[in-house]
Amino acid sequence: SQQGEEDPQALSIQEGENATMNCSYKTSINNLQWYRQNSGRGLVHLILIRSNEREKHSGRLRVTLDTSKKSSSLLITASRAADTASYFCATDSHGAFGKGTLLTVNP
Amino acid sequence: DTGVSQDPRHKITKRGQNVTFRCDPISEHNRLYWYRQTLGQGPEFLTYFQNEAQLEKSRLLSDRFSAERPKGSFSTLEIQRTEQGDSAMYLCASSSPGRETQYFGPGTRLLVL
Repeated sequence: SQQGEEDPQALSIQEGENATMNCSYKTSINNLQWYRQNSGRGLVHLILIRSNEREKHSGRLRVTLDTSKKSSSLLITASRAADTASYFCATDSHGAFGKGTLLTVNP
Repeated sequence: DTGVSQDPRHKITKRGQNVTFRCDPISEHNRLYWYRQTLGQGPEFLTYFQNEAQLEKSRLLSDRFSAERPKGSFSTLEIQRTEQGDSAMYLCASSSPGRETQYFGPGTRLLVL
């Protein structure tokens, strides 16, 4: 069964706008990871946040984690057309991926 | 570092046939994972190895599926008596000792007719 569940299922924005997607999970975790998947490059790891961290940044990415609510968010700032992809959250080392958020960034 | 490679990239087979996929992880990565992904879904965990030991298998891995990693390097995933429901992308990933980040291969797309 899948642990992470992303929301929304699909998101369409204009280039330059910010995109926020959320992930909820069910059981206690050690860490949570975000991945991106597009047809050209397969599944790529973006960022990992540990259970004792609340926020983490990497370039245009900002991830938050709220273990009390069992939720995480991924913010992509100043989006680009190349950010068009499906984004997945996954818990712990070989968990469980959600169904993903399909982000479309329109030029 | 040449990344995780998978072979073949595409496989078309008839129902009832056996198929075998290969995964070559990043060198020195001791953990190797297999996932299955169908259209519109996230990857579903199948099994993982630490070195040559298969440490966990998902309930999705029926007795028709078997995975090996005999020397702790490359791995094979075999599906016997394939069914149409086995049609999916089969993904392999590897990770280095003590690190949770997984590096994924391009996948093998299986179509069972």
